Formats: sequence, C-alpha cells, structure tokens
Amino acid sequence: AQTVTQSQPEMSVQEAETVTLSCTYDTSENNYYLFWYKQPPSRQMILVIRQEAYKQQNATENRFSVNFQKAAKSFSLKISDSQLGDTAMYFCAFMKPGGGADGLTFGKGTHLIIQP
Amino acid sequence: AAGVIQSPRHLIKEKRETATLKCYPIPRHDTVYWYQQGPGQDPQFLISFYEKMQSDKGSIPDRFSAQQFSDYHSELNMSSLELGDSALYFCASSPRPGQGRYEQYFGPGTRLTVT
Repeated sequence: AQTVTQSQPEMSVQEAETVTLSCTYDTSENNYYLFWYKQPPSRQMILVIRQEAYKQQNATENRFSVNFQKAAKSFSLKISDSQLGDTAMYFCAFMKPGGGADGLTFGKGTHLIIQP
Repeated sequence: AAGVIQSPRHLIKEKRETATLKCYPIPRHDTVYWYQQGPGQDPQFLISFYEKMQSDKGSIPDRFSAQQFSDYHSELNMSSLELGDSALYFCASSPRPGQGRYEQYFGPGTRLTVT
C-alpha cells in the first residue's frame, strides 16, 4: 500500500513571498502519478498541479511548480509570489494507474496561511 | 466549463436511516470516484467506477453501496447510518483511463450530518 506524508501541518508566510510545501511518499511502483490539491475554506477540492513519474521535467502551472525527486520519493510544491487567495489546505496525493480507475491516496495536508 | 455536479449539497439524517447521494460527472468523463472526508481529515477513497463497472475499492463500509448508470451518473447509497458517517462526501470524475490523463476533478461535495 502507498503512503503519503506531509510533515508540515501548518505554514504561514507574508504575501508576495515564496513558500515550499513538502511531500514524501512510499511506493514500490515504478509508474504512478502525483498531484497537489488545494482546499480553501469553501471545502472545494481544486487540482493545482500534476506530475507523471516517468517524466523527469518538473511540472509548472503559472505561480505553482513542483520539485519531483523520484529516487528520494519527494514531491514538493513551490508557490511563488504568494497571494491571499492561496490561503488553504494543500493535499499531496498519489495514484497508481493500474489500467482502471484507481483512487487517490492523500497526505494529511498542510494548512497554508498567507498573511497580508 | 462544466464541472462535477453533486446533489444534494446538504443532507441531515437520523441514525439508522438511509441516504442516497448523487453525482453527475463532467461531460465525456466516464470514470467516477467517491471519497469521504471527516472533520479535519484528508479525503478517504471509497469506491470507483469505469464504464459502469466497479473498478477500485477503498475503505467503503459494507453498509454503503454504489453504482454507475448508463448515463455515467453515479449514486452512493448509505444504510443504517451512524453518527460517524457524518462527513463531506466528494464525487470526482476523470477522462477514460489509458488516454494519458489521470487527473480527477472533484465536485463541491455533499455534507451529510447524522443526528
């Protein structure tokens, strides 16, 4: 079974700063997908970014980028120029594409607070 | 863009009652997932369907059942409700597996309160 660990329960930074959220995972699989989801106070789960394990290039989506280290089983999320609207719970998630529709395994989440 | 639709958004039931949650996936998405998120917890995967067949199973209690219909919408049926079933229930959908896209898009959730 896969496990996902987010070691930072809460982080707080000033607006416009850069922040990095950490995520590590444990799996014996070679092919898999990793995701970061954002859950603001509305409780909606919003996909932030995805990374395929077979791709060496780190994924980037505007102000959001990841540092994917496959050998170290690490998948951190960097948020540049942080904004007040980035305040939310951030969940790291793992999925093993087994040919069907596999469920996501989530970490416990990091509560990110952007201070004005 | 169209999103995942869940109904109802809020539901209050008493212990031992039954509840049915509905999910309508994004158009042209034929894979549906159900998750349960308790207060202060991460979402837990319950069950998924692809092409109307059960695909993967997580920590779904035997009191719960689900199915996917011919129009790809899905229903989660919950019987003999317990206080511990109070949670936010998410449905997510994704494009057909094997097409290189595995991201799951979540609906707004159904908040179930059992009293």
